[in-house]
Amino acid sequence: QSVLTQPPSMSAAPGQKVTISCSGSSSNIGNNYVSWYQQLPGTAPKLLIYDNNKRPSGIPDRFSGSQSGTSATLGITGLQTGDEADYYCGTWDSSLSAVVFGGGTQLTVL
Amino acid sequence: EVQLVESGGGLVQPGGSLRLSCAASGFIVINNYMSWVRQAPGKGLEWVSVIHSGDSTYYADSVKGRFTISRHTSKNAVYLQMNSLRPDDTAVYYCARVKNYFDDSGFETNDGFDIWGQGTMVTVSS
Repeated sequence: QSVLTQPPSMSAAPGQKVTISCSGSSSNIGNNYVSWYQQLPGTAPKLLIYDNNKRPSGIPDRFSGSQSGTSATLGITGLQTGDEADYYCGTWDSSLSAVVFGGGTQLTVL
Repeated sequence: EVQLVESGGGLVQPGGSLRLSCAASGFIVINNYMSWVRQAPGKGLEWVSVIHSGDSTYYADSVKGRFTISRHTSKNAVYLQMNSLRPDDTAVYYCARVKNYFDDSGFETNDGFDIWGQGTMVTVSS
């Protein structure tokens, strides 16, 4: 049981837009920055979004992040088959004094 | 090139010990927050531990008292000493750097894992 809640799976067609939600509480998302990661099969995770909505250099602007209250959202526009991956949200939990992750969302582009 | 390379994984019996190493290049470990994250086969990411640039350390409840994170200045490396290993510690263990930057308010902030190693597999089984 993850501290942050994500939908286990989502699917969308190429070219479409998808939003992945991440729900938490005041001890984590409500008061700390959220980051998002993409994990392609058999590879290490890759940072997509940090500080709720900032993209590291090299991450295309098709990826966006937002945060409101105790929830965060990852948006991906212009879906490509190469976007098929697992996506995770993560943040610091001030009550646990620990980093917490969502359970991950498996995105299928079909 | 900025990169992390883990080593030290393998097969160990329940109750045994293992020490993982993470060699960094392209940046200085002691100036950054460094963390270990693991992923059990077919499961999601689970944070394990972090060591701050100021030496503070934090652990997930699941490993507290059994695992110890440390670093070596001259070797520019981070370590994870794992004792009293259990079958549910079986996972790929990733070393990761925490991103350091200035947020919109101008405060120095550490958030997000921006550099990851390739991972090293730890299997705890008899």
